[in-house]
Amino acid sequence: KNQVEQSPQSLIILEGKNCTLQCNYTVSPFSNLRWYKQDTGRGPVSLTIMTFSENTKSNGRYTATLDADTKQSSLHITASQLSDSASYICVVSADSNYQLIWGAGTKLIIKP
Amino acid sequence: EPEVTQTPSHQVTQMGQEVILRCVPISNHLYFYWYRQILGQKVEFLVSFYNNEISEKSEIFDDQFSVERPDGSNFTLKIRSTKLEDSAMYFCASSVWVNIQYFGAGTRLSVL
Repeated sequence: KNQVEQSPQSLIILEGKNCTLQCNYTVSPFSNLRWYKQDTGRGPVSLTIMTFSENTKSNGRYTATLDADTKQSSLHITASQLSDSASYICVVSADSNYQLIWGAGTKLIIKP
Repeated sequence: EPEVTQTPSHQVTQMGQEVILRCVPISNHLYFYWYRQILGQKVEFLVSFYNNEISEKSEIFDDQFSVERPDGSNFTLKIRSTKLEDSAMYFCASSVWVNIQYFGAGTRLSVL
C-alpha cells in the first residue's frame, strides 16, 4: 500500500536553531517527492520537488535530501525564524499518476 | 505573482443543502485539482481535471461530488447534498504539468 510516514509529529525549537524533519515512504513506482509548508488555515506551498536522480535540493534555508534506495527524505531548516512555524508535509507522487500521496505532516513551532 | 483564488473563504450550510465552491486557477495552467483537509487530518485528494474532463478521482469523490469548468477561468466543486462529515477545508490547486501544484488559500466548509 502506498504510504508516507513523517516524524516527528510535532517539534518545538528555539528561534535560530536548526532542525531536521523526516519522511519515509512506500510508494511504487516512485516519480517524485515534494515538501510543502502549510501555515495554519492556508493552502500548502511547495518548498522543493525532487526526482529519483536528485539527492539534495535547497530553497533558501530549506534543504531537502532524498535517498531513493532506502525510501527516505529529510527536510533540514537552518537558522529557524518565527515565520517557519507551520506544518511541513512530505508528499510523494507515483509514476504516471496525477494523485499525490500525502504525509500527515510535522507541526513545527519556533519559540522566541 | 499569479495565484489560485478561492471563494468564499468560509461557507456555512445546512445538512442536505447543495454548495458550490469556486476556484480561479492560474491562467496558463492546464491541470486542476480539488483536495480536502478535515481539521487535524491529512490533506486528501479528491479529483483532478484536464482537458475538460476528470482525469482521476479518489474514492471520496462519490456521486455527491461534481466538478465543472463552466468558462475559461472558473473551476467549481459542487456537493449536492452536504453531510456533517463534509465539513473540512477544501483546497483548489492548479499546475502547468503534473509537477508543481499551486494551492489556493482554501474554503472552510461548515455543515450544520
